[in-house]
Amino acid sequence: GAGVSQSPSNKVTEKGKDVELRCDPISGHTALYWYRQSLGQGLEFLIYFQGNSAPDKSGLPSDRFSAERTGGSVSTLTIQRTQQEDSAVYLCASTEVSNQPQHFGDGTRLSIL
Amino acid sequence: GQNIDQPTEMTATEGAIVQINCTYQTSGFNGLFWYQQHAGEAPTFLSYNVLDGLEEKGRFSSFLSRSKGYSYLLLKELQMKDSASYLCAVRSNDYKLSFGAGTTVTVRA
Repeated sequence: GAGVSQSPSNKVTEKGKDVELRCDPISGHTALYWYRQSLGQGLEFLIYFQGNSAPDKSGLPSDRFSAERTGGSVSTLTIQRTQQEDSAVYLCASTEVSNQPQHFGDGTRLSIL
Repeated sequence: GQNIDQPTEMTATEGAIVQINCTYQTSGFNGLFWYQQHAGEAPTFLSYNVLDGLEEKGRFSSFLSRSKGYSYLLLKELQMKDSASYLCAVRSNDYKLSFGAGTTVTVRA
């Protein structure tokens, strides 16, 4: 596609439920990144994919968070047993090679009730 | 750890100039980026500095001093559409970006 696409754009769910957030990077981009943006805070790095491999998962906040990427394209970020502190905007970015400027999607706004 | 500081808010008048400062202390350095983010939208890339000095791109310029851990983004001839959040980000290795909290710029008529 023309840009990074994320879905859903908004998600409201109850505490304790699992959620899946999807990222469709720019076609041909091998590197993919997930960030979390909380109100009044900077973007927080979560995980980096090169192809289908995740050489850096250091930013995942807890074992409730996981991500996968298949076919070197679409990635899914899964949050299990959601908590209220998980409420944030989750942003995905991609690059053709890892050292280029990252192109961001519009994000998924996640609200945990 | 990474520490990136920038002012929270700035206000300026249409047609004026605004300078957004960013200071950083990071465990590695492989370039500094500025992004613009309008409310509810994706951050968009503005500029990149890896060597000391000034990079100019139209109405936007960015400066870097690696020895001082300091950068600024200069916005000239401000327009109402420049009202947005401006994010300073430092790349510490080949891929990892650490972001400041962002500076909200409000342009007044």
